[in-house]
Amino acid sequence: DQQVKQNSPSLSVQEGRISILNCDYTNSMFDYFLWYKKYPAEGPTFLISISSIKDKNEDGRFTVFLNKSAKHLSLHIVPSQPGDSAVYFCAASGPDQGAQKLVFGQGTRLTINP
Amino acid sequence: NAGVTQTPKFQVLKTGQSMTLQCAQDMNHNSMYWYRQDPGMGLRLIYYSASEGTTDKGEVPNGYNVSRLNKREFSLRLESAAPSQTSVYFCASRGLADYNEQFFGPGTRLTVL
Repeated sequence: DQQVKQNSPSLSVQEGRISILNCDYTNSMFDYFLWYKKYPAEGPTFLISISSIKDKNEDGRFTVFLNKSAKHLSLHIVPSQPGDSAVYFCAASGPDQGAQKLVFGQGTRLTINP
Repeated sequence: NAGVTQTPKFQVLKTGQSMTLQCAQDMNHNSMYWYRQDPGMGLRLIYYSASEGTTDKGEVPNGYNVSRLNKREFSLRLESAAPSQTSVYFCASRGLADYNEQFFGPGTRLTVL
């Protein structure tokens, strides 16, 4: 039972254009969502997050949108740069007595073409 | 400040052998986690330790044991390795002030023949 789904295994975008990565979830108890970026042979690194009380959070070129009614979030990268080529994971967590466990999606491999 | 460190980086085992993956963090974090990453599966939680002295099962705990040795160190043990445990293993930690953000180590690539 995949509670967090990233249905696009890969995405290819031209440098300078917008990259949009999507993520769906099924558990309505999730109240916090994160995006991680992962380069080959490295651990994931935190990129941006959003609480369920918001519908948008922005950090430089990265913006995360949350649509609670659709149980959908997306990550927008504008403009896309070659260094953005990586695997992106969305993750979600809910109330769990302080353990703050994360449930991850399968990941989307983003390739930025020059 | 090294963050989260993991040893070894690579390991090849034969079926039935045992080994311990080591993880340490120098950020004074309370919570620590072990994940495995398999192709097409994302990261799945094996075990976690919400605070020193406590450990709990995650989504895929079978075949593994953990020890929270002290606040810094959290080890993962495979008692009798199986080919299905071939994976990349990541350790992560989180501080009380870091709402849900976990910091990851560089990973251990394990192959079980």
